[in-house]
Amino acid sequence: ILNVEQSPQSLHVQEGDSTNFTCSFPSSNFYALHWYRWETAKSPEALFVMTLNGDEKKKGRISATLNTKEGYSYLYIKGSQPEDSATYLCASRYGQNFVFGPGTRLSVLP
Amino acid sequence: DGGITQSPKYLFRKEGQNVTLSCEQNLNHDAMYWYRQDPGQGLRLIYYSQIVNDFQKGDIAEGYSVSREKKESFPLTVTSAQKNPTAFYLCASRDRGGNQPQHFGDGTRLSIL
Repeated sequence: ILNVEQSPQSLHVQEGDSTNFTCSFPSSNFYALHWYRWETAKSPEALFVMTLNGDEKKKGRISATLNTKEGYSYLYIKGSQPEDSATYLCASRYGQNFVFGPGTRLSVLP
Repeated sequence: DGGITQSPKYLFRKEGQNVTLSCEQNLNHDAMYWYRQDPGQGLRLIYYSQIVNDFQKGDIAEGYSVSREKKESFPLTVTSAQKNPTAFYLCASRDRGGNQPQHFGDGTRLSIL
């Protein structure tokens, strides 16, 4: 079973702080890297799908980068807001399957 | 609105009983997936189906069974052979074309009485 890791496990920041977290995945046979946001009592929602080494994607205050050679992706949140509080999941695609990391739980304090 | 519906939201099972979790999607997606989440762990793949009448075991298929008789439906049965069924179960679907993300249901929490 392939292993995808995320760090930190949890994170508490103040409103307005910028933050980032990491997803590590096996670089061999890499196909794509997905980021999802999972708010409490809701279903996970897709943030980014990244495929190319050096990819950088942005959606509002959230951005992500990808390094397929060394097997990691960073997710950045600029100026965190309380509504950013959620668990952020990454998933590496291998063929038609996905291996998920355990997630980073972000709490943004007002 | 298009989406994925899982039912019920909460499910209780007596030991030794089989129980079926429902997953329906109206997104016209070919691929569907069942995941299990336990505290502190990532989503683990139970079964997946790329097309009607075909499905494959994931990493933790023992004690589970599925069917895919219709494109929109992918029910999961938790059998009495599953020794530790208490968990949160998520269903997902995706368009197989290109690098499309998965769409998830709201999940079913299964507890053993």
